[in-house]
Amino acid sequence: NAGVTQTPKFRILKIGQSMTLQCTQDMNHNYMYWYRQDPGMGLKLIYYSVGAGITDKGEVPNGYNVSRSTTEDFPLRLELAAPSQTSVYFCASSYSRDAGLFFGSGTQLSVL
Amino acid sequence: KQEVTQIPAALSVPEGENLVLNCSFTDSAIYNLQWFRQDPGKGLTSLLLIQSSQREQTSGRLNASLDKSSGRSTLYIAASQPGDSATYLCAVSGSNSGYALNFGKGTSLLVTP
Repeated sequence: NAGVTQTPKFRILKIGQSMTLQCTQDMNHNYMYWYRQDPGMGLKLIYYSVGAGITDKGEVPNGYNVSRSTTEDFPLRLELAAPSQTSVYFCASSYSRDAGLFFGSGTQLSVL
Repeated sequence: KQEVTQIPAALSVPEGENLVLNCSFTDSAIYNLQWFRQDPGKGLTSLLLIQSSQREQTSGRLNASLDKSSGRSTLYIAASQPGDSATYLCAVSGSNSGYALNFGKGTSLLVTP
């Protein structure tokens, strides 16, 4: 079982560039999430989705966009990258709102 | 707003010791509480999930308890091993938090041989 797969693992962007972080899961989970983790801080929710075609903002959505065209995939788009978006990004999925979360291995992003 | 606090921030113990990690939360209206393990440069691995109606969960050498009324959870690790060295994160899901899991900042555990 692959679980939750994220690509790329590392990326360096210049200020103003754009990129898409990919996330796919093979567990047929309806719920998918994007979190960011900054050093010394807890994880913060960026966006989430409760099913294909349905997405909503989390705590820190500014500067990001998402889409959910299939159950498996939940890409995160960064437009006009800024140094404040330097972080580690985690995608996660769950069977339901009350079920445990399964996390991908993360994408370490630096914006210089 | 739900606040999750983990104490201690870091802990070093010799191999074989039993240890307790603490997690406290400010809003008792939770659906569940989850303990995760994070190794350096890796993602989070779920260890134990306790629903709000449960008092504890056990998996191997790990036991997690939940006291909703006092806003506390503990993760007990028996007979610690060097392979247990990692950061342990506590997260709560609640009716007042929307879909966000509220995470603590973690306890960094080092088990020395």
